[in-house]
Amino acid sequence: AQSVAQPEDQVNVAEGNPLTVKCTYSVSGNPYLFWYVQYPNRGLQFLLKYITGDNLVKGSYGFEAEFNKSQTSFHLKKPSALVSDSALYFCAVRAVYNTDKLIFGTGTRLQVFP
Amino acid sequence: KAGVTQTPRYLIKTRGQQVTLSCSPISGHRSVSWYQQTPGQGLQFLFEYFSETQRNKGNFPGRFSGRQFSNSRSEMNVSTLELGDSALYLCASSPGPLTGELFFGEGSRLTVL
Repeated sequence: AQSVAQPEDQVNVAEGNPLTVKCTYSVSGNPYLFWYVQYPNRGLQFLLKYITGDNLVKGSYGFEAEFNKSQTSFHLKKPSALVSDSALYFCAVRAVYNTDKLIFGTGTRLQVFP
Repeated sequence: KAGVTQTPRYLIKTRGQQVTLSCSPISGHRSVSWYQQTPGQGLQFLFEYFSETQRNKGNFPGRFSGRQFSNSRSEMNVSTLELGDSALYLCASSPGPLTGELFFGEGSRLTVL
């Protein structure tokens, strides 16, 4: 069965420093991986996806993610964090081929301090 | 282009009542999915509909049901509400399966007293 794991409940980083939010996955077949962000009392916003192609995926708001097949990881990164990046981040994997069903990780709360 | 619209945004019910939540997808999107978000269980998949057909169903009791109309709008219903049904219910739409990302609405926050 498809699954994703986000090993960190919270990540703290100072503004201007690089940030990494970790995600590992377990899939059968080719992985379809996604990152979403959720601000307080809001729905989820799409950041980026990996379906095929380059291992470095660039997304919204300056975020990028690196797909690593050998380590089964899909870590979210940003070179310079902003206070406004503080939010809840979810990694997700498509559960079943040819559907939209996603399996989400437990989420990582990112706190960026001024 | 208008986003995914969910109504109502907030509602309070008591145990034993039923509730209907509505979702209007982005114009042209034919696939609608529903998720339940709670602090303890995280984001859990409820249903997926495409062209009025339920394609997938999550591991929820039969009290949870849904449907999709010919205009792609979707509703979900929860009958005989329990305290544990208190959650943020999120609807998401996409043009169709395998097209990529889902577009989420703001959610309907249900509180069961």
